[in-house]
Amino acid sequence: GAVVSQHPSRVICKSGTSVKIECRSLDFQATTMFWYRQFPKQSLMLMATSNEGSKATYEQGVEKDKFLINHASLTLSTLTVTSAHPEDSSFYICSADPGQYGEKLFFGSGTQLSVL
Amino acid sequence: AQTVTQSQPEMSVQEAETVTLSCTYDTSESDYYLFWYKQPPSRQMILVIRQEAYKQQNATENRFSVNFQKAAKSFSLKISDSQLGDAAMYFCASSGTYKYIFGTGTRLKVLA
Repeated sequence: GAVVSQHPSRVICKSGTSVKIECRSLDFQATTMFWYRQFPKQSLMLMATSNEGSKATYEQGVEKDKFLINHASLTLSTLTVTSAHPEDSSFYICSADPGQYGEKLFFGSGTQLSVL
Repeated sequence: AQTVTQSQPEMSVQEAETVTLSCTYDTSESDYYLFWYKQPPSRQMILVIRQEAYKQQNATENRFSVNFQKAAKSFSLKISDSQLGDAAMYFCASSGTYKYIFGTGTRLKVLA
């Protein structure tokens, strides 16, 4: 089955630093990737939709300059948390859309970000 | 706007018994899909079942089945013969206009 690789799985950083999270579709091309944020015992909150070759579409309330998304190829999207602060600590999950509308999403295994 | 509501934060079921998780949704899309995803303690999202809204027939996957009531915008998940491995968070989701929106989740506990 289709696999989405997300790295790193866990990162601890100091406040003020930037952290990059990678999401790769390993055996299919993903025109669209989604980035979600999940707080403990809560649901997945859609942050942005990443489209290959174009600017990401951010959900209301998500800071574009704080969460930089780049979808440079059909198999790679990155989320950079810039100038991270403790309130950015969360579980971030990416998912890839294989391009057939309504088909299931393929999820990465998530990244736990802890900002000290 | 697209919304998904799960009104049961937590449910418990005895092993081998049947449990039903509720989900209601709202969408302005005429063409949409509905999903149930499972998130075990590993936090890896796993697709349980998928329903195409234009199909009247309820989807089934082994012990998992749905009750899709389109007019009522209801999409419940029935788990039969519950197993210890079914214990997880279950999220209902809908897709429309290339957005996948998730409900708040239901934590399912399976009692031995």
